[in-house]
Amino acid sequence: DQQVKQNSPSLSVQEGRISILNCDYTNSMFDYFLWYKKYPAEGPTFLISISSIKDKNEDGRFTVFLNKSAKHLSLHIVPSQPGDSAVYFCAVSNAGGTSYGKLTFGQGTILTVHP
Amino acid sequence: DGGITQSPKYLFRKEGQNVTLSCEQNLNHDAMYWYRQDPGQGLRLIYYSQIVNDFQKGDIAEGYSVSREKKESFPLTVTSAQKNPTAFYLCASSIKGASPEAFFGQGTRLTVV
Repeated sequence: DQQVKQNSPSLSVQEGRISILNCDYTNSMFDYFLWYKKYPAEGPTFLISISSIKDKNEDGRFTVFLNKSAKHLSLHIVPSQPGDSAVYFCAVSNAGGTSYGKLTFGQGTILTVHP
Repeated sequence: DGGITQSPKYLFRKEGQNVTLSCEQNLNHDAMYWYRQDPGQGLRLIYYSQIVNDFQKGDIAEGYSVSREKKESFPLTVTSAQKNPTAFYLCASSIKGASPEAFFGQGTRLTVV
């Protein structure tokens, strides 16, 4: 039973427009949420995160929104650039427990930004 | 330069052989992790260690073994008991603190023929 789901396997966006990537989770005990970006044959790189006490966190072109009642988070990229083309993974953690840093990942969404 | 080093990047082994993947970090992080990625899937946790000489099974530990004799090193052995060992293996580390974000190495692509 998947605890973290990214229901869109792929997303195609025009350069300059907004990219919205979505992620749903099932366990309300999760208290920290992260987004990673990954290129083929490379390790994921951390993008942005949000704790459960907030509903929005912004870093440059990247904004993460958290809706705890819906158990949903999203990543907005504005404006999208061709270099943003990659696989995006959401990840969740129960950082308040003993297993700090132990992340559960979604399946990933392939983002393609067209020039 | 601080970071996580995985070696080798590509590894080929014959079926039935054990193989050990290396992971070293110089970030002084307390915790280290091994994940596996298969095509079209997310990362799944194999083993993790929060302190030297201690480690716990993740979600898919069967057929794998680890050791944590030094803070900097967390090698993963893929044994012959692992039924589908061909995959992309990722090592990560994190520091105990407010944020649980993990930092990843570049990965090792293991192909068993």
